[in-house]
Amino acid sequence: GENVEQHPSTLSVQEGDSAVIKCTYSDSASNYFPWYKQELGKGPQLIIDIRSNVGEKKDQRIAVTLNKTAKHFSLHITETQPEDSAVYFCAASGGNTPLVFGKGTRLSVIA
Amino acid sequence: DGGITQSPKYLFRKEGQNVTLSCEQNLNHDAMYWYRQDPGQGLRLIYYSQIVNDFQKGDIAEGYSVSREKKESFPLTVTSAQKNPTAFYLCASSIGYNTGELFFGEGSRLTVL
Repeated sequence: GENVEQHPSTLSVQEGDSAVIKCTYSDSASNYFPWYKQELGKGPQLIIDIRSNVGEKKDQRIAVTLNKTAKHFSLHITETQPEDSAVYFCAASGGNTPLVFGKGTRLSVIA
Repeated sequence: DGGITQSPKYLFRKEGQNVTLSCEQNLNHDAMYWYRQDPGQGLRLIYYSQIVNDFQKGDIAEGYSVSREKKESFPLTVTSAQKNPTAFYLCASSIGYNTGELFFGEGSRLTVL
């Protein structure tokens, strides 16, 4: 089955700097790659997703890139703000298999 | 407001007791899911239901049971057979199975005393 590895597990950046979180997946049949943000005591919320027919997608300060050949995808957050502090999860799915999540990255933005 | 409601938010139980966590959605979604979250472990799938009256085991189904008698409801029972039940449980739904965004509830934290 699918296996998703996520790095780093924790990340601290200064306010205004960029943050990058990377994930790799194992199943070449996977074709959907979402990113979720979880704030303290709440459920995760989708922030951006990408499908396998696209190499990059942007939404204001966040972007996701996908390299299907290398089986990895990344989340980029530019001009980080304190409210970006949260736990971020990547995930992958394809065909008839449910989403498989990475173990999460705790991002701290230091003002 | 449309969304997913989980209850209770906090629950304590003694060892050997079964407990049922409630999950209700008013989004008219066909698919519903239960995940377990432990520190440093990410989200692991317990059970999922593609449509009413149907459900399948996820990666860590042992010691859990579910039912899907109504489209809007997907309760999870944590049985005494679950060896390490203390965790944060998240319910989610999507328009269809594997059709995109999952909408999560705010979770239920179960502590076994």
